[in-house]
Amino acid sequence: QQQVKQSPQSLIVQKGGISIINCAYENTAFDYFPWYQQFPGKGPALLIAIRPDVSEKKEGRFTISFNKSAKQFSLHIMDSQPGDSATYFCAASINNNDMRFGAGTRLTVKP
Amino acid sequence: DTAVSQTPKYLVTQMGNDKSIKCEQNLGHDTMYWYKQDSKKFLKIMFSYNNKELIINETVPNRFSPKSPDKAHLNLHINSLELGDSAVYFCASSRRTGGSMGYGYTFGSGTRLTVV
Repeated sequence: QQQVKQSPQSLIVQKGGISIINCAYENTAFDYFPWYQQFPGKGPALLIAIRPDVSEKKEGRFTISFNKSAKQFSLHIMDSQPGDSATYFCAASINNNDMRFGAGTRLTVKP
Repeated sequence: DTAVSQTPKYLVTQMGNDKSIKCEQNLGHDTMYWYKQDSKKFLKIMFSYNNKELIINETVPNRFSPKSPDKAHLNLHINSLELGDSAVYFCASSRRTGGSMGYGYTFGSGTRLTVV
C-alpha cells in the first residue's frame, strides 16, 4: 500500500519553464515532507523539505507548496534548466523515521 | 569525505548464490536503512536499524538478513538469490529524531545487483 502518491510519472518541460510535481499523502501523522533528486547511477539526494506548520518553503529556484487540509504538497522548479533533468521523489515520514517515498517523476528539461 | 559508502557498486551473480553488500556511514547518524529500488525506480524500505537494534522489518523474504556490528555499519546478506532480487539496493542513514529541517536521509550511491 503506497502511502505517498506522486504524479506525473514523467514530465517534459522547455528550458526556462516551470516544472510542477504533485504528491498526496494519507497518514496525518506524517510531520516531515522532503523532496529528493536522483541522477542516473547515483543515490537520491535531499533537495528541499517542509514541515506541515508551514504552507510554503522556497530555496533558490525550488519551492514546496503544502496544503495540510488537502493532504497534498508539490514541488515547483522555476526557470527549469537541462541540468535539472533527473528523477524527483516526494517523501513523508514521522519524526524523520521510516521514510515513505512516492513513485518518482522523471523530469526532462529540453534545451 | 563524510558520506554513506556501500560496496560493491555492481554485483553480478548466479541464481542460488549467497552474497553480501556492505554499508558504512561516517556522519555520526544513529539510524541506518536499506532500500530496494526496482526497475521502475520505486524506492521501498526493507530494514531500519537504530543503534544496532532492528526497528523496521518490512515484508521482505527471510533470505534477506541485515547485520549491524555497530551504529556506523549496516550490511545486507542475501541467501539463495533469485532472479527477482535483481534491483539497485541503497543504504541510507539519518538521525533517529527530527527537530531540524536539516534532517533527512543521506543515501549511498547504490549497489546494482543482477542475478542471472
